[in-house]
Amino acid sequence: DAMVIQNPRYQVTQFGKPVTLSCSQTLNHNVMYWYQQKSSQAPKLLFHYYDKDFNNEADTPDNFQSRRPNTSFCFLDIRSPGLGDAAMYLCATTSNSWGSGADTQYFGPGTRLTVL
Amino acid sequence: QKEVEQDPGPLSVPEGAIVSLNCTYSNSAFQYFMWYRQYSRKGPELLMYTYSSGNKEDGRFTAQVDKSSKYISLFIRDSQPSDSATYLCAMIQGGSEKLVFGKGTKLTVNP
Repeated sequence: DAMVIQNPRYQVTQFGKPVTLSCSQTLNHNVMYWYQQKSSQAPKLLFHYYDKDFNNEADTPDNFQSRRPNTSFCFLDIRSPGLGDAAMYLCATTSNSWGSGADTQYFGPGTRLTVL
Repeated sequence: QKEVEQDPGPLSVPEGAIVSLNCTYSNSAFQYFMWYRQYSRKGPELLMYTYSSGNKEDGRFTAQVDKSSKYISLFIRDSQPSDSATYLCAMIQGGSEKLVFGKGTKLTVNP
């Protein structure tokens, strides 16, 4: 059964046209992350939620916003996509019980964003 | 110096070879070490998870952590074409919520 689900898997948008990517999880994890991954690069953390607490990375552009209406869902909003925002966007979750031996970060399949 | 260094490869080996993948890191506070496998156009999936120094074995995969040298390794025995993927090392400090990733090593196992 899928544990971290991302929709859509592929998204095409136009330069400057707002786009929303969604992530849902069935794990009831309290931490959710959004990463941006460009070709042949490591995933780059954009922000994460610890429960309802939003934690933005210092170098995440203001163009990227996020919402977490409940434990299961998290959204990534790109207000005015530029060509440089074309990438794979990965959602991940963890229960943040590092040390228990039972927890780690689970990734969704990703949404590949194309900006025309 | 980047926190985590990983040779991006690419690495190409014949089927059945032993593969060694490595990462070095600079932050001595890292306590948890992971290896993720990422197939093309898919999300990373966790392969191995190790706490502190030592070895961990799971089937054909062995993860090693040497905290004194700030060096971690992933060994793949009897490599298969299905092992062809990008392998990402990742690590985290205790009490932190943020993983730090290496750039990934692209592995191709040729039949």
